[in-house]
Amino acid sequence: EVEMLQSGGGLVQPGGSLRLSCAGSGFSLSRFALGWVRQAPGKGLVWVATVSGREDDTYYADFVKGRFITSRDKSNNTLFLHMNRLSADDTAVYYCAKGRLGNYNDVSGWLDWGQGDVVTVSS
Amino acid sequence: EIVVTQSPATLSAFPGERATLSCRASQNVITNVAWYQQKPGQAPWLLFYGASTRATGVPDRFSGSGSGTDFTLTISSLQSEDFAIYYCQQYHAWPQTFGQGTKLQIK
Repeated sequence: EVEMLQSGGGLVQPGGSLRLSCAGSGFSLSRFALGWVRQAPGKGLVWVATVSGREDDTYYADFVKGRFITSRDKSNNTLFLHMNRLSADDTAVYYCAKGRLGNYNDVSGWLDWGQGDVVTVSS
Repeated sequence: EIVVTQSPATLSAFPGERATLSCRASQNVITNVAWYQQKPGQAPWLLFYGASTRATGVPDRFSGSGSGTDFTLTISSLQSEDFAIYYCQQYHAWPQTFGQGTKLQIK
C-alpha cells in the first residue's frame, strides 16, 4: 500500500526557515514525479514545486523561487521541501503528492497525497 | 501563466440531482486537465486525468469531458458523499495551476 507520511511543520518566525519531510512507503520514490501543493486557511489549492525525471529536474512557482528547494533522498525514500525567508503569506497546509505513473516524469495528476503538514509563520 | 477559472463558485443541489461543474483555461491545454475532490480536513482525491479518464476507484456517476479551453465535470446523480469542493488543474505547462474550486453543497 502506498503511503506518504509528512513531518516537519510547525510555527516559525517571519524570515525563518523550515524543512518539510515526506517519507514514502510501498513505492520507490525515485521512479515518480513528486510535488508540493499548499492550501492557505480557507483557500484553494496552489501548486508549489515539483521534482521529476531521472536527473531530478525541479520546477517552482514564482512566489517560492529562490526561497524554497525541493529534493529527494532516494536511499531513504524521502522527499524534502526546504523553505527559507518565510513570510506570513506562506502560512498554509503543505501537501506532498506523487504522480500516477512510475516513469520518472509523469505529472498528469497527483494520485497519492500525504496527510498534510501545517506551517504557521508568525511572530 | 495559464489561468484556470471554475464556475460556479458554489453550487447547491439536492441528492439525486445532476450536477455540472465548469472549468476554463486561459490558453489551449489540449486535454491536460485533472479534477480533484476535497472534503474538509482531508487531502485532495484525484478523480480524472486527461480531462476524461477516471482514476482508480472513482464511481461511474462521475464523468469528465472537454478539450482545448473548456472542461466539465458531471455527477449524474448526487450522493451524500459527493458534497465537497472540486478543483480542476492544468498540467499542460509550468507552472501547474489550479482553479479556485467549486463548492458543491446540499440544497
